[in-house]
Amino acid sequence: QKEVEQDPGPLSVPEGAIVSLNCTYSNSAFQYFMWYRQYSRKGPELLMYTYSSGNKEDGRFTAQVDKSSKYISLFIRDSQPSDSATYLCAMIPAGGTSYGKLTFGQGTILTVHP
Amino acid sequence: NAGVTQTPKFQVLKTGQSMTLQCAQDMNHNSMYWYRQDPGMGLRLIYYSASEGTTDKGEVPNGYNVSRLNKREFSLRLESAAPSQTSVYFCASSGWDRVYSYEQYFGPGTRLTVT
Repeated sequence: QKEVEQDPGPLSVPEGAIVSLNCTYSNSAFQYFMWYRQYSRKGPELLMYTYSSGNKEDGRFTAQVDKSSKYISLFIRDSQPSDSATYLCAMIPAGGTSYGKLTFGQGTILTVHP
Repeated sequence: NAGVTQTPKFQVLKTGQSMTLQCAQDMNHNSMYWYRQDPGMGLRLIYYSASEGTTDKGEVPNGYNVSRLNKREFSLRLESAAPSQTSVYFCASSGWDRVYSYEQYFGPGTRLTVT
């Protein structure tokens, strides 16, 4: 079983819809939770990160972490065609020998159609 | 400011051939990483270098070697390519502090096919 599970989709939504992307994980040591966005044939870029539990909002994007359920989410409000990309969740424990060793989900392919 | 650059962009190899993928960053980052991305597998860490002069294995190091040439450059070598190494390879870099190691900056990738 993978440490991080993410539904690969693909997910197709109309412009303006609210999008919910999710990951589950099994390693309770994970403390930092990230969402990376990857456009077609490009490298991933960091979209948002959250430390431990809670919510974080940045414009149309909201990241949620529920450590009790080992579940993280990314919500996109008022989705736009420019949001069409693959979204990868990533996680890392705090401290120890985990330095820099991100564990990624499989990625969810999102298409927002006009 | 180019960020992270990778060469080549595309490469086709025959089984058993060798090649080196080059990566350079101009952000004065201490840490650099090599990942591979396969369909349905996400990104998997091959090797990383926390700082100049150090390298360490990641999740899938078999069949690869790395060299941290200096602070800017980190190369990945395939000594004897195999079809299972067909993948897209990404180099990334991050700041030196453990707190910032999650914020990794990725290059555009190298698409490698081994026949």
